[in-house]
Amino acid sequence: DTAVSQTPKYLVTQMGNDKSIKCEQNLGHDTMYWYKQDSKKFLKIMFSYNNKELIINETVPNRFSPKSPDKAHLNLHINSLELGDSAVYFCASSQDRPPEQYFGPGTRLTVT
Amino acid sequence: AQTVTQSQPEMSVQEAETVTLSCTYDTSESDYYLFWYKQPPSRQMILVIRQEAYKQQNATENRFSVNFQKAAKSFSLKISDSQLGDAAMYFCAYRIITGTASKLTFGTGTRLQVTL
Repeated sequence: DTAVSQTPKYLVTQMGNDKSIKCEQNLGHDTMYWYKQDSKKFLKIMFSYNNKELIINETVPNRFSPKSPDKAHLNLHINSLELGDSAVYFCASSQDRPPEQYFGPGTRLTVT
Repeated sequence: AQTVTQSQPEMSVQEAETVTLSCTYDTSESDYYLFWYKQPPSRQMILVIRQEAYKQQNATENRFSVNFQKAAKSFSLKISDSQLGDAAMYFCAYRIITGTASKLTFGTGTRLQVTL
């Protein structure tokens, strides 16, 4: 069974389009995250949710809007895509204790 | 703000040999967690090892062990008996203990090559 899953794994789209990435975890964790990995492999937090409540919003453009319909799902919607949005987006989940974050397989977004 | 520094962009090791990857961090917190994650070409992020700052004993997981020096804010990863499957990007990461939903702060990564 996949612990943290993301769809799609690859997404190619044109500038100006709107797209969504979905994430689901079956670990029973209370907290979910979105991270962005840029072309230099640097990973940075974007958002975190705890029990459907937004906890961290790390200076991300408001074109990015996370939505958590329940604690097992955290989706990421991106409006008006720009070239600089091209990256790999990772979803992750965790409990407070133990503190490990478990990552999904990532979604490679390419904006042309 | 917490920062994590990995000063070795690339490292190489021969199969069956031992290699140490370096990581330093900066924090004003006294309690926190440190992690090493591995990212192979498949891009999946895989947890390698975890260390709690309040524990003096260095964590060990099979061929992977850490050298945690709290006063020096240093957290290196030693891989013994290196295998071809160890080739990957390795990321050091930090997380505070208190508060729910606390984020991981990552270093810039070290690419490890394993040669025959």
